[in-house]
Amino acid sequence: KAGVTQTPRYLIKTRGQQVTLSCSPISGHRSVSWYQQTPGQGLQFLFEYFSETQRNKGNFPGRFSGRQFSNSRSEMNVSTLELGDSALYLCASSPLSYTGELFFGEGSRLTVL
Amino acid sequence: TQLLEQSPQFLSIQEGENLTVYCNSSSVFSSLQWYRQEPGEGPVLLVTVVTGGEVKKLKRLTFQFGDARKDSSLHITAAQPGDTGLYLCAGAGNAGNMLTFGGGTRLMVKP
Repeated sequence: KAGVTQTPRYLIKTRGQQVTLSCSPISGHRSVSWYQQTPGQGLQFLFEYFSETQRNKGNFPGRFSGRQFSNSRSEMNVSTLELGDSALYLCASSPLSYTGELFFGEGSRLTVL
Repeated sequence: TQLLEQSPQFLSIQEGENLTVYCNSSSVFSSLQWYRQEPGEGPVLLVTVVTGGEVKKLKRLTFQFGDARKDSSLHITAAQPGDTGLYLCAGAGNAGNMLTFGGGTRLMVKP
């Protein structure tokens, strides 16, 4: 069974640009969550989608947005990039919501120059 | 805001030693997970504990959930170099899969 796939794995952007990250969950998983991981703040929750509906949103500015498609694939977008957005962005899928048992992808490492 | 504090932040030990990692909070969690993350990879789920006082064993790893469901510990017996990695505890409240992660414990086991 294929795991969670995230693309791209690495990307470099400059301040002010925008970026879109993609996540394909494990087949049959309907919950997709996004987390930001930085050395200073650790893992922080961005948002969770379940059956195309945003279920929860973390404490991030509106520049961070996401969506989920009918096939459960998800994208997140960050607009007007700032240096502080440099991080590893992790996508995780789960067959159900409310379990806390997440299957993570390898992440997309974003560097903002 | 729920917070999870992990200690220690760093741990460097020799192969064969025992260790314990702690995860503490002032908040109650409906469940608590432990993950391990290796460089260049995403976290991998090790265990979920749900009931206060619950103890789960995974080979040489023993996980315990506090009676009040506010804290947890991970004990590794006879650590091996393959145990090296970043150990993360994460708590789930009543809001879907929105997890609060601890800061992590970076473990290095030297041969």
